[in-house]
Amino acid sequence: EDQVTQSPEALRLQEGESSSLNCSYTVSGLRGLFWYRQDPGKGPEFLFTLYSAGEEKEKERLKATLTKKESFLHITAPKPEDSATYLCAVQMRTSYDKVIFGPGTSLSVIP
Amino acid sequence: ETGVTQTPRHLVMGMTNKKSLKCEQHLGHNAMYWYKQSAKKPLELMFVYSLEERVENNSVPSRFSPECPNSSHLFLHLHTLQPEDSALYLCASSQDRAFGYTFGSGTRLTVV
Repeated sequence: EDQVTQSPEALRLQEGESSSLNCSYTVSGLRGLFWYRQDPGKGPEFLFTLYSAGEEKEKERLKATLTKKESFLHITAPKPEDSATYLCAVQMRTSYDKVIFGPGTSLSVIP
Repeated sequence: ETGVTQTPRHLVMGMTNKKSLKCEQHLGHNAMYWYKQSAKKPLELMFVYSLEERVENNSVPSRFSPECPNSSHLFLHLHTLQPEDSALYLCASSQDRAFGYTFGSGTRLTVV
């Protein structure tokens, strides 16, 4: 069964304390992996797309990496405004519309 | 306006009511989506429209009826809903279905 999991479920960090969020997937074929950020009461905001193992993408304090079984979202020296839920989603090779979202990681950055 | 706009932001409806959710995108994208986000559950794809034609109906009950009159507008018509249908309904758009989505802010639906 195709599945996407994320860990941890929730994470509290002090401002400036770097860490990583994990997205693990077991799918029959990966076309792409997406990371989104969702603030309370809002829709998800697109961050990155990764297509192949070894690929990395960066944006400000965020860096996403991809292996054959998982992706990491590294947060360097986070600030309180980085607090949000981070979602990953896997797009299947078999169909553009087969996109499986993970349950998300809720990140809180404390000043 | 830019991006993806959803109206209304909040909706409370009785189980016998009929209502519609509206989505408009100003990005020139050619694919639009309806997603459901329930508490403690991952986002669930409901419908996909590509070039104004429905290409995916992800086993959604018939009490949800989508309509895509043109590439910029998407509606979700609701009738005889159940309390378990209460959720955040998100509209999204993308270019060519292969790329990341741009989501709207959603409609928070409560069925009483």
